[in-house]
Amino acid sequence: AQSVSQHNHHVILSEAASLELGCNYSYGGTVNLFWYVQYPGQHLQLLLKYFSGDPLVKGIKGFEAEFIKSKFSFNLRKPSVQWSDTAEYFCAVSTNAGKSTFGDGTTLTVKP
Amino acid sequence: EAGVAQSPRYKIIEKRQSVAFWCNPISGHATLYWYQQILGQGPKLLIQFQNNGVVDDSQLPKDRFSAERLKGVDSTLKIQPAKLEDSAVYLCASSLRTAGANVLTFGAGSRLTVL
Repeated sequence: AQSVSQHNHHVILSEAASLELGCNYSYGGTVNLFWYVQYPGQHLQLLLKYFSGDPLVKGIKGFEAEFIKSKFSFNLRKPSVQWSDTAEYFCAVSTNAGKSTFGDGTTLTVKP
Repeated sequence: EAGVAQSPRYKIIEKRQSVAFWCNPISGHATLYWYQQILGQGPKLLIQFQNNGVVDDSQLPKDRFSAERLKGVDSTLKIQPAKLEDSAVYLCASSLRTAGANVLTFGAGSRLTVL
């Protein structure tokens, strides 16, 4: 069975600081990787995804993530965060059987 | 397109009572998921349907939880009897595909408090 580990439970940054959120997964087969985001008062929504090809993927609002197969990692990055990036971020793994497993999330607070 | 609809948004019940949650997925999405999200944790899959068939219910506590998706469209999740540890947000999601690269679209969730 697959599992997902997010290293940081709560991250606090000032505006314009750089962001990196860690995500590691455990699964021996082919995986599809996702970051979902939940802004205050809103639904969980897709931020970006990796299915195949270029391991550096770009998502909405300037976010990107890099898949490093040898490290079983899919870390999320943003060079300069904004106050509006305050949200909870979830890393998820989906197998070819279609089962999606989520990490426990990282709460990001950006101070203006 | 209309999103995933869920109701009720909030429900407070006492332990041993029963509760039901309803979900209407995005039109045309064959796959429907119910997740349980306990405070401070990530969503945990309870059950996955493709059309009106169950794909995965391995983590559904079948002694008290049940779910159905009649006619392959909307779905109902029931808890009977509820326990204190069932307090959580119940998320419904749908996706166009079943296998592999399936992007989930989530509803707003139904927050259950069991007293």
